[in-house]
Amino acid sequence: GAGVSQSPSNKVTEKGKDVELRCDPISGHTALYWYRQSLGQGLEFLIYFQGNSAPDKSGLPSDRFSAERTGGSVSTLTIQRTQQEDSAVYLCASSPGPGKDGYFGPGTRLLVL
Amino acid sequence: AQSVAQPEDQVNVAEGNPLTVKCTYSVSGNPYLFWYVQYPNRGLQFLLKYITGDNLVKGSYGFEAEFNKSQTSFHLKKPSALVSDSALYFCAVRAPERDDKIIFGKGTRLHILP
Repeated sequence: GAGVSQSPSNKVTEKGKDVELRCDPISGHTALYWYRQSLGQGLEFLIYFQGNSAPDKSGLPSDRFSAERTGGSVSTLTIQRTQQEDSAVYLCASSPGPGKDGYFGPGTRLLVL
Repeated sequence: AQSVAQPEDQVNVAEGNPLTVKCTYSVSGNPYLFWYVQYPNRGLQFLLKYITGDNLVKGSYGFEAEFNKSQTSFHLKKPSALVSDSALYFCAVRAPERDDKIIFGKGTRLHILP
C-alpha cells in the first residue's frame, strides 16, 4: 500500500512569505507527527496529532508555525513570514496508534532565500 | 520529558569490523526504543525497536540493539560492518504511558571504510 506522502518535495520561497507543507498519512493511521531536520542537526520534534485529542504543539519553535489535521487524515504545516533559519527538511510521520511504529514520508525540503 | 542522547556525531569503522552506535535515554516509565536509518537523499527507515521482552533486539540488515535498563542505554550493533551501512542513524524514544511523542537523538553519522 501507499506510504506517507508529502508535498511539495521541494519549496523555494522568499523571506517573509508564507508556506504550506502537506502530509498525507497512511490510511487508518491515527497518529501524525511533524519533525524538522536542519543541516547538520538531528530531528527536531514540532507537533503531534493523536486521533481526536488536542495536538501536542510543544515543539513548535515560534507562533509563526502552526499545523492542522483535517478529518483525522491530511495535515498541513504552515509557516508564516518565513525566515532564512526556517530552511530545513520537514518530515512527516504517521503511526497506527500509541506505541506503534512510525512511518516517515520523504520530506519537504524548504529553502528560504 | 523524555530525551535521547547520541554522544557521537560520527563513528568510523573499517569494513568487516564490528560496529557500535551509542544511545542513552531518559524517560519516565517504561520506554519504547527505536533505531532509524537515513541513507543519503532518502527518507528515514525503521531498523528495529524494543518494547518489552528480550533485551537483545534483532532488526533489519543484520543490525541488533541491546536494551540496558540500569544504564538507560540502547546501543546499536552489528558484528561485521559493510560499506553500504554508511548512513545517518537516529535513536528514538517513546513513552506511551505519557504522551507517546517520538523523540529523536541528534543522529550519528556512520562511515564504513573500505
